[in-house]
Amino acid sequence: GAVVSQHPSWVICKSGTSVKIECRSLDFQATTMFWYRQFPKQSLMLMATSNEGSKATYEQGVEKDKFLINHASLTLSTLTVTSAHPEDSSFYICSARDRRGTEAFFGQGTRLTVV
Amino acid sequence: KQEVTQIPAALSVPEGENLVLNCSFTDSAIYNLQWFRQDPGKGLTSLLLIQSSQREQTSGRLNASLDKSSGRSTLYIAASQPGDSATYLCAVRPDQAGTALIFGKGTTLSVSS
Repeated sequence: GAVVSQHPSWVICKSGTSVKIECRSLDFQATTMFWYRQFPKQSLMLMATSNEGSKATYEQGVEKDKFLINHASLTLSTLTVTSAHPEDSSFYICSARDRRGTEAFFGQGTRLTVV
Repeated sequence: KQEVTQIPAALSVPEGENLVLNCSFTDSAIYNLQWFRQDPGKGLTSLLLIQSSQREQTSGRLNASLDKSSGRSTLYIAASQPGDSATYLCAVRPDQAGTALIFGKGTTLSVSS
């Protein structure tokens, strides 16, 4: 299957700082990317959907000014958590789909801890 | 609004046992259904993808079935092994358009040797 690389795999940051998470499709063009968040023992919850070159579409309850998503190329999307707070601590996973759209492929996830 | 439910939430079995994980979804109008495995603190590994027109898919010791009309899918694991211990997630894709997967909460499986 296609490969999606997500970095970093884990990050610890101080409250009030910003953190950027990268999601790259290594061997295909990702026309659509999805960002999910997963709290302990909970399911993956969709945060936003982004199409290359367009603004991201955020799910209800997700602050677009806090979670900045950029999908500037067909192989890279970034999620920036701005002014992070301890309640933002979670597991963030990206997913990418190509133009055919048959299947979405997932990154390895990023464990964010805000102290 | 589509909702995905997985039963049981947790399951413990001895090595060698055959087992079934259940997934149900409220809206039968789906494009496909996918089963994933997630190890603690890790990302997702895709196990099986079933298109809406298919009834089942098999990969090694895994067999997934889909009954779209009743909104159900099962994942059958044969001859379980300790290495199968993980959380298994079921997810549905609502349509062919650029929509995201909707996940259940998962079944955490523990296989003892």
